[in-house]
This record gives sequence, structure tokens and C-alpha cells, in this order.
Amino acid sequence: QKEVEQNSGPLSVPEGAIASLNCTYSDRGSQSFFWYRQYSGKSPELIMSIYSNGDKEDGRFTAQLNKASQYVSLLIRDSQPSDSATYLCAVNIPQAGTALIFGKGTTLSVSS
Amino acid sequence: DTGVSQDPRHKITKRGQNVTFRCDPISEHNRLYWYRQTLGQGPEFLTYFQNEAQLEKSRLLSDRFSAERPKGSFSTLEIQRTEQGDSAMYLCASSPEDRLSYEQYFGPGTRLTVT
Repeated sequence: QKEVEQNSGPLSVPEGAIASLNCTYSDRGSQSFFWYRQYSGKSPELIMSIYSNGDKEDGRFTAQLNKASQYVSLLIRDSQPSDSATYLCAVNIPQAGTALIFGKGTTLSVSS
Repeated sequence: DTGVSQDPRHKITKRGQNVTFRCDPISEHNRLYWYRQTLGQGPEFLTYFQNEAQLEKSRLLSDRFSAERPKGSFSTLEIQRTEQGDSAMYLCASSPEDRLSYEQYFGPGTRLTVT
């Protein structure tokens, strides 16, 4: 089982809809979880971090964490064409030290 | 701009040549990371510095790769005797020293093409 798994997509949603991106991880000891956005040809940009079970909201973004189910998700409300990008889930796994372990990313396409 | 910077942004080299990349982290960040990303994959960890000390190295970091951070500020990543499989985006990230947070901020990357 891979350490961090994401559906590669593409996930297609119409403008104004809610986009839901999901990520599962294998190490129950993981404590820190991140979502990065990466536009084609660019580097990853940190958009959300979450450390405790529950929801964390920042503008149109909501991160959700369920450690019992080893599941973290990102909701994007009122999706815009400019949200079209690859979204990378990253997890800090204790035995990996301070390094982040990334999933392969989910490609989101928002159509106008 | 106070973000992470990397130089060069693009590098084309012939197989067997040596290349060196530079990373300047966010000024108040004492943690610095190198990652490598290939098409369709997430970034893969290579190595980590806290100040000038190289504390963590991935098994991906073969003996052809060496990284330094001599004064705890900028860092260099050198690849000797490049191979076509080294073609990738090399990403540098930095983070503040905070035992509760591993938030890492990436630079624009150096895209390496080995011909």
C-alpha cells in the first residue's frame, strides 16, 4: 500500500460547484497534513494545513481530517476556472523525519 | 520578494556532465529541503538541512548527488555524471523551526533536462 494515495482524476466540475478532493494515508502516527496546489509547469503552493480532527476553513477552501479513518479531504466551494490545477496531498510521517510524503495529485478541471 | 528562490530555472546538459543548482530560502527559515519531481508524480524528498547540518538523506540520493549548506543560508545541490534518469524538476523548500509545524514553502524549481 502506498503511503499517500489520491485519485489522479481528472475531476471535472462546472464553475460555481463544490469540488471535493480526497486523500488517504497509511501511517496512523501521522500528525501533519497539507494540501498544495500546482499549476502546470509551476511549483507546489501551500494552500491548507491541518493537524487536528475536524474541519478547517480558509476562504473558499475547507480541509477535513479524520485520523481514525486515515482520510483527509479538501473542499473548494464556488469553484472557479482559475482553480484548475493539480492538488497534492502531503503528509508528515514520523519515521520520515521532517520530510513530507506526497501523493501523486488529483487534477481538477473547472469549466466555465 | 521574500520567497524561496532557485537558480537556474532551466538547465539542459549532456549525459555525463556535472550540474549544480542553488537555492536561497526565505530569510528567517532555518530548515531547507530538496525534492525531485517527475511528470505525473508528487515531489519526492531528497535531503534536509537544519541550519548548516544535513540531518536527513533519502535513499534516492545516490552517491552522485551531494548537497551543501555551508553557512546555514543558501544551499547547493550538485549532480555528478548526470544520467537521462536525472531529468526532473528539482525543488527547494524552506520552513521555520517550529516543532509543531512542518509547513514547507517551495521555490520555483530548476528543471533539468539531460540529453
